Amino acid sequence: AQSVTQLGSHVSVSEGALVLLRCNYSSSVPPYLFWYVQYPNQGLQLLLKYTTGATLVKGINGFEAEFKKSETSFHLTKPSAHMSDAAEYFCAADSTLTFGKGTMLLVSP
Amino acid sequence: GAGVSQSPRYKVAKRGQDVALRCDPISGHVSLFWYQQALGQGPEFLTYFQNEAQLDKSGLPSDRFFAERPEGSVSTLKIQRTQQEDSAVYLCASSFAQGNGNQPQHFGDGTRLSIL
Repeated sequence: AQSVTQLGSHVSVSEGALVLLRCNYSSSVPPYLFWYVQYPNQGLQLLLKYTTGATLVKGINGFEAEFKKSETSFHLTKPSAHMSDAAEYFCAADSTLTFGKGTMLLVSP
Repeated sequence: GAGVSQSPRYKVAKRGQDVALRCDPISGHVSLFWYQQALGQGPEFLTYFQNEAQLDKSGLPSDRFFAERPEGSVSTLKIQRTQQEDSAVYLCASSFAQGNGNQPQHFGDGTRLSIL
């Protein structure tokens, strides 16, 4: 069965700094991959997805992720953090979404 | 609005009671999913419908959990004889695609269930 691992339950950055949230998947067959963001007391909002084709995927709010088959990774990045990016981020795989445990992004002024 | 709507937003029940959670998917969306999100955890898959057919219920934790989507639109997740470990946020998502994973799932805001 597919599994998704997110390294770091919490990541803290300063406003304007680079954001890097890590995600690794277990399948030997490249799965569909997604990043979702969840704000308090809300559902999940899709940031970006990888299905096939270009391995660098651009999403909303300036986020992007790169699919690296050799590393079984799909890390999420943003060049410059904004206070409004503070939220919980989930990496997920496959059609009946297998989620990681989430990473809380904290942004300090 | 045009998003996935879940009701109620909050539900408190006593242990042993039955509860029913409702999901109104986006109009025209074929696929509907239920997830359970425990505190501090990622969502976990419960069950999946394609139209009115329940194609996958492998994530339902016990036979106390039952989901239906009789007309291929609104879905209800029912939990019988609730236990404290059922306390969680229950998320519903819908997708236009017929389960091929290429189309993203759109999530509702969830129902927060608390069992006393």
